[in-house]
Amino acid sequence: DGGITQSPKYLFRKEGQNVTLSCEQNLNHDAMYWYRQDPGQGLRLIYYSQIVNDFQKGDIAEGYSVSREKKESFPLTVTSAQKNPTAFYLCASSRDRETGETQYFGPGTRLLVL
Amino acid sequence: GIQVEQSPPDLILQEGANSTLRCNFSDSVNNLQWFHQNPWGQLINLFYIPSGTKQNGRLSATTVATERYSLLYISSSQTTDSGVYFCAAYNYGGSQGNLIFGKGTKLSVKP
Repeated sequence: DGGITQSPKYLFRKEGQNVTLSCEQNLNHDAMYWYRQDPGQGLRLIYYSQIVNDFQKGDIAEGYSVSREKKESFPLTVTSAQKNPTAFYLCASSRDRETGETQYFGPGTRLLVL
Repeated sequence: GIQVEQSPPDLILQEGANSTLRCNFSDSVNNLQWFHQNPWGQLINLFYIPSGTKQNGRLSATTVATERYSLLYISSSQTTDSGVYFCAAYNYGGSQGNLIFGKGTKLSVKP
């Protein structure tokens, strides 16, 4: 089955701790994205990557970091600099970013601060 | 950048009723998408519809790009239609070359 997987489903972070959220896709898509969703809100873009070894900041990148070493993988690290990390994190991919094609989403990771 | 506004914010329907959700956007767009987020958080793409009309079963969507709005129609609603419906617009070449999401319409379909 082609699709996007995210892990873990739930993640708990302690104060001062960095945590990494996993995102894998087997759709052979070039572009991948990370979004944050707060309760009652739409999605906001954290980072995106158009191609391997390249990524760009989105609207709310502060306190987050990413890497894109493989086409299939786009992990997101929530650093201790992110003071309000509790949210629902969604990863997405698309064939191409430039044409704004359909984005496909993973099931999400809920991050909670202890 | 593009502003995306959705209405109504909340909608409660009886099973079998029809509904229309609206999405207004503030600038010309190259891409307009409708998504459904189920109660468990999964987002599913419903339509990629920068202009014109598309239909998929009980759902259909119309985008009038010149007037900067899109409509999502749900006919004969079912309880499984419950969730949040998002509209997202993309303006390639603008300062924000990414999908901009509205805040969504929360739909509850009662049996």
